[in-house]
Amino acid sequence: GAGVSQTPSNKVTEKGKYVELRCDPISGHTALYWYRQSLGQGPEFLIYFQGTGAADDSGLPNDRFFAVRPEGSVSTLKIQRTERGDSAVYLCASSSGTSGTDTQYFGPGTRLTVL
Amino acid sequence: AQSVTQLDSHVSVSEGTPVLLRCNYSSSYSPSLFWYVQHPNKGLQLLLKYTSAATLVKGINGFEAEFKKSETSFHLTKPSAHMSDAAEYFCVVSDLAGGSYIPTFGRGTSLIVHP
Repeated sequence: GAGVSQTPSNKVTEKGKYVELRCDPISGHTALYWYRQSLGQGPEFLIYFQGTGAADDSGLPNDRFFAVRPEGSVSTLKIQRTERGDSAVYLCASSSGTSGTDTQYFGPGTRLTVL
Repeated sequence: AQSVTQLDSHVSVSEGTPVLLRCNYSSSYSPSLFWYVQHPNKGLQLLLKYTSAATLVKGINGFEAEFKKSETSFHLTKPSAHMSDAAEYFCVVSDLAGGSYIPTFGRGTSLIVHP
């Protein structure tokens, strides 16, 4: 079956602009996670959804970052007034549950470059 | 708070020789532990996971890891390296410290396999 998909695969923008990154999870997966991976680092948790609600957004770095999942499937990560430090690969993952044992399935990521 | 330390940023082996990727963790609760692999230009893929059952966990592609609570370690091993094993490997810890299971990734270990 189809895995997790993310669009666009690459996004180049200018400092100060607004961007949206999209994630399509595996069908039927109720949990959806967003991570940010900087060069040479492991993925860093941003936010996760259980269904339509953000269950934990403790990883969002500041109020420029926001994410939604209005129908409990597709999610959009929104970044306002982008800064050069936002440049990274943004990863999305989905799982069938949110217990500590559930496997997360990752998408290929969106590489964001802020000039 | 949970944390994970991957003790080597790079590991270099010859094809056919054993692989050892080291991981130490810190957790106040009974953690779940994972190893993920990231091949170039591909999404993260689960290799194996420990979820408080058997302490020796077998994963895909001949990899295995042993949970040692007394040493707070979860090292990844493989008896014989293959060229296709060259990739970035991430050790992950997840517990309920923050009220929800939020995974914490290590910085990654790059496995280099020489012919």
